[in-house]
Amino acid sequence: QVTLKESGPALVKPTQTLTLTCTFSGFSLTTPGMRVSWIRQAPGKALEWLARIDWNNDKFYSSSLKASLSISKDTSKNQVVLTMTNMDPVDRVTYYCARTSSDYGYFDYWGQGTLVTVSS
Amino acid sequence: EIVLTQSPGTLSLSPGERATLSCRASQSIPTSFLAWYQQKPGQAPRLLIYGASNRAAGIPDRFSGSGSGTDFTLTISRLEPDDFAVYYCQQFGNSPMCSFGQGTQLEIK
Repeated sequence: QVTLKESGPALVKPTQTLTLTCTFSGFSLTTPGMRVSWIRQAPGKALEWLARIDWNNDKFYSSSLKASLSISKDTSKNQVVLTMTNMDPVDRVTYYCARTSSDYGYFDYWGQGTLVTVSS
Repeated sequence: EIVLTQSPGTLSLSPGERATLSCRASQSIPTSFLAWYQQKPGQAPRLLIYGASNRAAGIPDRFSGSGSGTDFTLTISRLEPDDFAVYYCQQFGNSPMCSFGQGTQLEIK
């Protein structure tokens, strides 16, 4: 059974760095073809893809946020970590991690999401 | 960057009716790289359709996808109360980047 679960702080201050962890089970990020992405969603807004890490440690970022994002994995812990620097004072945003197991890029399993508020 | 535009923004229908949701891409996308998701309030999106027309595991056959090039459609043949939600299309044509449409809210009339 594949599961993913996001964790991280519920509140961060503007300009601080946000660190989120995706802990997964039911698959390995060492298996060829496996990929994990981070996606965010503001309330009532569309989904926005942020970053992806692949089984071979290739990393990809949204072109608009590339300068502020970093993604990494710890295969021994079955975790993927996303850091986002210089957070803007925006409303609450939900961050999801999701798995891709196909070259065709769709997300077949999602975490439940974690809500982050950026406020002083 | 490939932009996906979904229409209508909101669709008001009654249970039992047929729903047709549109997703238009700013440039041609291989059909293999187009997916549809359903999202209910407070929940993560759920994969419905991949490869433009393939139902994901456990998805009822009243959901179907079609289209090619820049125009794609999600059809729900007979709406059930559980189908009222927000629907998103997603493309992976400019891999490794991907993007989502802005969503269609399917609401009960």
